[in-house]
Amino acid sequence: GAVVSQHPSRVICKSGTSVKIECRSLDFQATTMFWYRQFPKKSLMLMATSNEGSKATYEQGVEKDKFLINHASLTLSTLTVTSAHPEDSSFYICSAGLTESNTIYFGEGSWLTVV
Amino acid sequence: AQSVTQPDIHITVSEGASLELRCNYSYGATPYLFWYVQSPGQGLQLLLKYFSGDTLVQGIKGFEAEFKRSQSSFNLRKPSVHWSDAAEYFCAVGKNNLFFGTGTRLTVIP
Repeated sequence: GAVVSQHPSRVICKSGTSVKIECRSLDFQATTMFWYRQFPKKSLMLMATSNEGSKATYEQGVEKDKFLINHASLTLSTLTVTSAHPEDSSFYICSAGLTESNTIYFGEGSWLTVV
Repeated sequence: AQSVTQPDIHITVSEGASLELRCNYSYGATPYLFWYVQSPGQGLQLLLKYFSGDTLVQGIKGFEAEFKRSQSSFNLRKPSVHWSDAAEYFCAVGKNNLFFGTGTRLTVIP
């Protein structure tokens, strides 16, 4: 069945560095993908909508220069956390929809720890 | 505006007992409704979804949910809980991008 895969599943980086998280649709094409963030013991909040071949649409309060999204192909969207700080430590998860079955698939998520 | 309310932050049930997790939503159009489960340190797993048709939806792991338009609810139920059901449960509404409730943490005691 359709699967969305994220990589890396866990990453630790130093403050001030950048880290990239990949989201791939493994056996279907996704013109749109979504990035969510989950704070500890909180719900998931939509960060941005990733659009293939065009700029991402960011939700209110999400810094687009901080969270760079690139959707260069129909099967890959990347989220780059730039100049990471400890407060960026969180669980980031992506999703993509399969229109034919009206199903939304989530990646496994990526745990980011900034030290 | 779209929103999802899960009024119960934490629920504790005994293994073998029945379970009902509440979810109320606000959505401008006919809602697509979902229940996801998240185990500690893990991603999201879809339990079930509702788009149209029969308002009682069967999902995986013995879960079911009933869509009640008049009450704007989509409560999740299971007749007999297993210890492995202990996790965080999220209700969500939307079509492509989803709005999530704050989650209900389920603890199962022997």
